[in-house]
This record gives sequence, C-alpha cells and structure tokens, in this order.
Amino acid sequence: DVKVTQSSRYLVKRTGEKVFLECVQDMDHENMFWYRQDPGLGLRLIYFSYDVKMKEKGDIPEGYSVSREKKERFSLILESASTNQTSMYLCASSQGGASLLRWAFFGQGTRLTVV
Amino acid sequence: DAKTTQPNSMESNEEEPVHLPCNHSTISGTDYIHWYRQLPSQGPEYVIHGLTSNVNNRMASLAIAEDRKSSTLILHRATLRDAAVYYCILGNTPLVFGKGTRLSVIA
Repeated sequence: DVKVTQSSRYLVKRTGEKVFLECVQDMDHENMFWYRQDPGLGLRLIYFSYDVKMKEKGDIPEGYSVSREKKERFSLILESASTNQTSMYLCASSQGGASLLRWAFFGQGTRLTVV
Repeated sequence: DAKTTQPNSMESNEEEPVHLPCNHSTISGTDYIHWYRQLPSQGPEYVIHGLTSNVNNRMASLAIAEDRKSSTLILHRATLRDAAVYYCILGNTPLVFGKGTRLSVIA
C-alpha cells in the first residue's frame, strides 16, 4: 500500500520556536510538495522539490524553508513560528512527468497550532 | 496558473450519476486538468486527470470540452462515500487548489 507519512497529526508550538515538519514517502517518487490549507483559502503550495537537494518556491514560501537530503524525505521548517502559521500542513509526492501533480499522493496532514 | 470556477456545493441522491462542472476559460494549451477530492479529515486524493481527450478510470470519467475551456467530472453512481470536496486544478505545477465543490450525497 503506497504511503505518504507525516510525522505528526497534531502539533502545538510556541511563538518563536523553530518547527520541523517531516514527510516520508515509500514510492520512490521524484516530486514532493508542501501545502498549507486554511478555511476559505483552499490549499496553497509552499515549496516543492523535483529531486534530491532541489527546491522551488510555491505560492507562499515566506517564513518557511525546506530540506530534501534523501529522495524519500522532505522536511518543512518554520524558522521562527508565528501565530499566522497556525494551519493544516499537507505533504504530497508524485512521480516525475509532464505534469507534477499527476497521480499525486497526499499525507493525512499535520494540524499545527502556534500559541 | 489558469483560474478555475466551480460551484460551491452540489447535492446528489445515492446511486444516481453526478456531473461536477469546472470552467477554465484561460487554460493554456499545455495545461493538464486534474481532479482531486478531499474526504473529511483526510488529505486530498487523486481522482483523474486529462489533457485533451475524455478519460475514464475506475473512480470516474472526465469529459473535456472541445475548446478545453470547461470540463466535467462524472461519478457514474454516487455513494455515501463519495461525499467530499472536489477540486478541479489546472497547470503542470499547481500552486493553488481553489475552494472546490462540496458534494453531498443523500441516501
């Protein structure tokens, strides 16, 4: 059974903390993505990666960074968490090709609350 | 990314076909059309995608207008488990999923 696994379902962090959200996929996919989902705003792409050590900015990269040291793992980093980063974070992966979002698989999401 | 327009909500009776429309008048010639759905408390799930021709898979069918300015996701027999938010997304590196269509299925 194919899987995208996010390390936590729920997280509570304090303002100013450095936060790591981890995502692992077991499908040998080339592409990995981080989205955030907020009520009324839909899902917005933060960063994506199409290969190890490669990263591209999405729609809302400010306040975030990413790391992809191994093909199966894509980490989202909040350098200094703020309350406006309280959200649901979704990781996804897909095989390479003409469209990065073909046959993408999503994780269950991490609901992050920054207090 | 090209913009899509979907109805906010739709309702269907169980075991009836459902046609979920999506308008995308600014689509470019190389933009794929993707459909995903999101069940409550879960991440989005891939449904189907296409470029120019109609597509069928075990979950649904995708009908693409000849001018590609609109498409329709067809669920042939809605079940209660199909109640979800359905997203129509364009582009090969989609930056944003819009608000989608919330489908309710009535037993």
